[in-house]
Amino acid sequence: GQNIDQPTEMTATEGAIVQINCTYQTSGFNGLFWYQQHAGEAPTFLSYNVLDGLEEKGRFSSFLSRSKGYSYLLLKELQMKDSASYLCAVREGPGYSTLTFGKGTMLLVSP
Amino acid sequence: EPEVTQTPSHQVTQMGQEVILRCVPISNHLYFYWYRQILGQKVEFLVSFYNNEISEKSEIFDDQFSVERPDGSNFTLKIRSTKLEDSAMYFCASVQTGGYGETQYFGPGTRLLVL
Repeated sequence: GQNIDQPTEMTATEGAIVQINCTYQTSGFNGLFWYQQHAGEAPTFLSYNVLDGLEEKGRFSSFLSRSKGYSYLLLKELQMKDSASYLCAVREGPGYSTLTFGKGTMLLVSP
Repeated sequence: EPEVTQTPSHQVTQMGQEVILRCVPISNHLYFYWYRQILGQKVEFLVSFYNNEISEKSEIFDDQFSVERPDGSNFTLKIRSTKLEDSAMYFCASVQTGGYGETQYFGPGTRLLVL
């Protein structure tokens, strides 16, 4: 079966660094995605990893270890607007196949 | 920047009524998807669509659901006889060619409330 686990909630302060972990057990693997979702809005794409290692994109970085079934999203220099839910999603098949989402991690950034 | 659009943004309906949710995917995209998210729960896949036919569907997508691409731009999700548990946010998404490294782009969603 498919299982994607993330912490339910995290809190951090403005300017800090936070790491959101995701572990997955899926029957196939063809990429892991991180999306940001503000309340009542659509998920917006943040990052994509298909090979092991770190992908950096401005204040956001994402890491993948396929052998461990593990990824993390690192957010630096946190801003209040980063308060949102962060969704880990795995694509098990070819590039057009569906995404399986975790339940999301609600991040609250306080002043 | 091109984006996926959805209408209506909100829909309230009575149990047993039919609803049609509409999506306009990004114009040069070839694969289309519907997902739903019940309040406070995770995003769940419903159905994917390519070349005018369903390519994959989940167990949620039962006989009450159908999808159509009635013209070159619209992509619709129909729920024939709505149930209370169909209340959710419904997201449309699209992918250009499904190649390496491509990501799905999501529309803003339709919030459906079944009373």
